[in-house]
Amino acid sequence: LAKTTQPISMDSYEGQEVNITCSHNNIATNDYITWYQQFPSQGPRFIIQGYKTKVTNEVASLFIPADRKSSTLSLPRVSLSDTAVYYCLVGSIILTDSWGKFQFGAGTQVVVTP
Amino acid sequence: EPEVTQTPSHQVTQMGQEVILRCVPISNHLYFYWYRQILGQKVEFLVSFYNNEISEKSEIFDDQFSVERPDGSNFTLKIRSTKLEDSAMYFCATKAGGSYNEQFFGPGTRLTVL
Repeated sequence: LAKTTQPISMDSYEGQEVNITCSHNNIATNDYITWYQQFPSQGPRFIIQGYKTKVTNEVASLFIPADRKSSTLSLPRVSLSDTAVYYCLVGSIILTDSWGKFQFGAGTQVVVTP
Repeated sequence: EPEVTQTPSHQVTQMGQEVILRCVPISNHLYFYWYRQILGQKVEFLVSFYNNEISEKSEIFDDQFSVERPDGSNFTLKIRSTKLEDSAMYFCATKAGGSYNEQFFGPGTRLTVL
């Protein structure tokens, strides 16, 4: 599984857009990118997933450049409840490569203040 | 929205005792995982389980650990003889199928070993 690097922390104000960039220089052709959110004492929660270009859902957007060596999670107009740790994860499309397991890094602590 | 449930939410045990942590996966999910998170640290993969057998396990998952799905519904993690360093949040996760799928995490069981 490709190693990922993210900023340790980011601060933002309510209503602003937060962009978290993750580096995954060694991403393989069969790898896809997933982002999870975790609140204290809770299980990680799926945010978004993609392979290339741009993916958008009701919560966030994920931008993946053509070389796929990085990805950016964009959270539009954050609120106080978006304060959490955000994880960038890389997994293989080939099931037997890793059986779907995730290798979590330290993640990015996002703090939203009024 | 379907969810993964875990029991108990908090387990306190004496060192050397056996504990069983239980997870009820989302119905029709085929792949099951256990992760743990020691307080203040990152989420760590323990084991993946598919088709009634372990598909992959980490170095943490030694002979003291075992998993099973005894009745086709509950997915359990047993720690045979707990150690102080087993104190952590244990998360169960499940997904429907294939690699490119969302993994749903449960709320976790906080295990405290005294």
